[in-house]
Amino acid sequence: NAGVTQTPKFQVLKTGQSMTLQCAQDMNHEYMSWYRQDPGMGLRLIHYSVGAGITDQGEVPNGYNVSRSTTEDFPLRLLSAAPSQTSVYFCASSYISLQNTEAFFGQGTRLTVV
Amino acid sequence: GDSVTQMEGPVTLSEEAFLTINCTYTATGYPSLFWYVQYPGEGLQLLLKATKADDKGSNKGFEATYRKETTSFHLEKGSVQVSDSAVYFCALSDYSNTGKLIFGQGTTLQVKP
Repeated sequence: NAGVTQTPKFQVLKTGQSMTLQCAQDMNHEYMSWYRQDPGMGLRLIHYSVGAGITDQGEVPNGYNVSRSTTEDFPLRLLSAAPSQTSVYFCASSYISLQNTEAFFGQGTRLTVV
Repeated sequence: GDSVTQMEGPVTLSEEAFLTINCTYTATGYPSLFWYVQYPGEGLQLLLKATKADDKGSNKGFEATYRKETTSFHLEKGSVQVSDSAVYFCALSDYSNTGKLIFGQGTTLQVKP
């Protein structure tokens, strides 16, 4: 079972460069999210989607764009990388049924901006 | 807004010691509560969950009980192993039907032989 697949695993960018972090899930989940993980701060929500064509901002959206053209894919775009975006990025997909929900996470992308 | 607070780490224990990691939350309504574990170099894995008050989640010897009266979801294990060394995150999911999770800051556990 592939689950949630993120690429790349590691990336180094120069300040001002742009790039796209890829995320794909094969569980047919409607809900997908992007988080960043920084030391001592847990995971903070960047953007999320409740279905194809629908996205919304999370807690820390500035400097990032997302789109959701298919149920499977939810790419995260850094428009002009800054050192403050050095972090570990996690993509998650979730199901919600009645009063039950669970999120599944990718392995993460470790991004360094120099 | 909703929030989750975990005890500060790191926590260092000897093998076979008893573990408690405190987690309290603030939320409107009745959220679902989760503990996720992150082993070194890996993503997050669901450890256990509880969806309503007084539910007890359990997995791999870990337990946590959803306490609505104290808004808590403390993680416990009776006898830790070196292989339990990891970062533990408490999280909640509200009923906004968005799949969003709100995380605590994480607690690093190191178990020494």
